Amino acid sequence: AQSVTQLDSQVPVFEEAPVELRCNYSSSVSVYLFWYVQYPNQGLQLLLKYLSGSTLVKGINGFEAEFNKSQTSFHLRKPSVHISDTAEYFCAVRGAQKLVFGQGTRLTINP
Amino acid sequence: KAGVTQTPRYLIKTRGQQVTLSCSPISGHRSVSWYQQTPGQGLQFLFEYFSETQRNKGNFPGRFSGRQFSNSRSEMNVSTLELGDSALYLCASSLEGRKETQYFGPGTRLLVL
Repeated sequence: AQSVTQLDSQVPVFEEAPVELRCNYSSSVSVYLFWYVQYPNQGLQLLLKYLSGSTLVKGINGFEAEFNKSQTSFHLRKPSVHISDTAEYFCAVRGAQKLVFGQGTRLTINP
Repeated sequence: KAGVTQTPRYLIKTRGQQVTLSCSPISGHRSVSWYQQTPGQGLQFLFEYFSETQRNKGNFPGRFSGRQFSNSRSEMNVSTLELGDSALYLCASSLEGRKETQYFGPGTRLLVL
């Protein structure tokens, strides 16, 4: 069975500061990992994904994530955040025919 | 290419009623999955349909059901609504297979009074 743990439920940062949202996973099958973002009153938008290959994955809006097999982690990073990055972020692992999500991390950007 | 569409976007029902939600996948996508999102339980998998067949089901009571049509459009139905069914219901579509990315619609927000 697959599971995902997002270590922080809320992360406040100042505008233009770097941010890291932490995600740990467990999976008994090949690992396919995803980060989604949800803006208020909207659905989920794919930020980036790891299927295979390079462990450093670049996504949209300047986000990137690094797959670390030994630490079973897939942390999301951005070197400089903007007010518009305020949203909830979900890490997910793809199991058999379904995505298993973490509980989400609410990113709040302060001016 | 148009994204995943869900109708209606908002819905208010009372306890005991039933409701049907609709999802149209991205053109060419044959797999449709449904998720329930609540503040307490987060995002939980309901079921997945592929080529009109339910391929996988989450841990929800039998009041939750779904189907998929030959054009890949999907509906989910909830009978005998309970207050706890109030949630955002998200539909996602993908080509097929485990490596394929799921693309989500905007969701249907259901409020049960």
